[in-house]
Amino acid sequence: DAMVIQNPRYQVTQFGKPVTLSCSQTLNHNVMYWYQQKSSQAPKLLFHYYDKDFNNEADTPDNFQSRRPNTSFCFLDIRSPGLGDAAMYLCATSSKRYEQYFGPGTRLTVT
Amino acid sequence: AQTVTQSQPEMSVQEAETVTLSCTYDTSESDYYLFWYKQPPSRQMILVIRQEAYKQQNATENRFSVNFQKAAKSFSLKISDSQLGDAAMYFCAYRKHNDMRFGAGTRLTVKP
Repeated sequence: DAMVIQNPRYQVTQFGKPVTLSCSQTLNHNVMYWYQQKSSQAPKLLFHYYDKDFNNEADTPDNFQSRRPNTSFCFLDIRSPGLGDAAMYLCATSSKRYEQYFGPGTRLTVT
Repeated sequence: AQTVTQSQPEMSVQEAETVTLSCTYDTSESDYYLFWYKQPPSRQMILVIRQEAYKQQNATENRFSVNFQKAAKSFSLKISDSQLGDAAMYFCAYRKHNDMRFGAGTRLTVKP
């Protein structure tokens, strides 16, 4: 089945220690998104790729970076995680202007 | 910036009854998409229903239907014959091209 896969599902990192979250898709969608979702809140868009074009939200901290080496994969790098970065990170994909397909998320804990 | 407002943080419905979740949005665009997503506890976000703004007819998917009032910028979700599996957070979302905005969500509880 075509899907959006996120690894790992749970990630624990230390304060200030760089961490990378990964997302892959078999849908062949040209747009990939990264969201941050804190408990009982709406997902907050961090950035998205339209093909290879990177689009950063204005209020996304510089601490968050992303890479998309090919259509199928996208990575979220947090250079120096703080306690406030603990959250669920959702990857989503879409084709053209239609609905987004979400992965199961990676829950990040910062100790 | 487009904003999406869900004024009901929590809603409750009796099993087999009908419930309506509210959503309003703000935009100056005439062509856009609206969605309702469901996020069960500790589970994946999934699409419930989609509405294209240029379509006057309200979208329907089995027990789920919307009341889309474009002039009022209102997009409510009606769940008929509620089931225990409908318990979840429901997010209303707006999309114009790659700009996607979510409301704060409504937590729906279904009572047996």
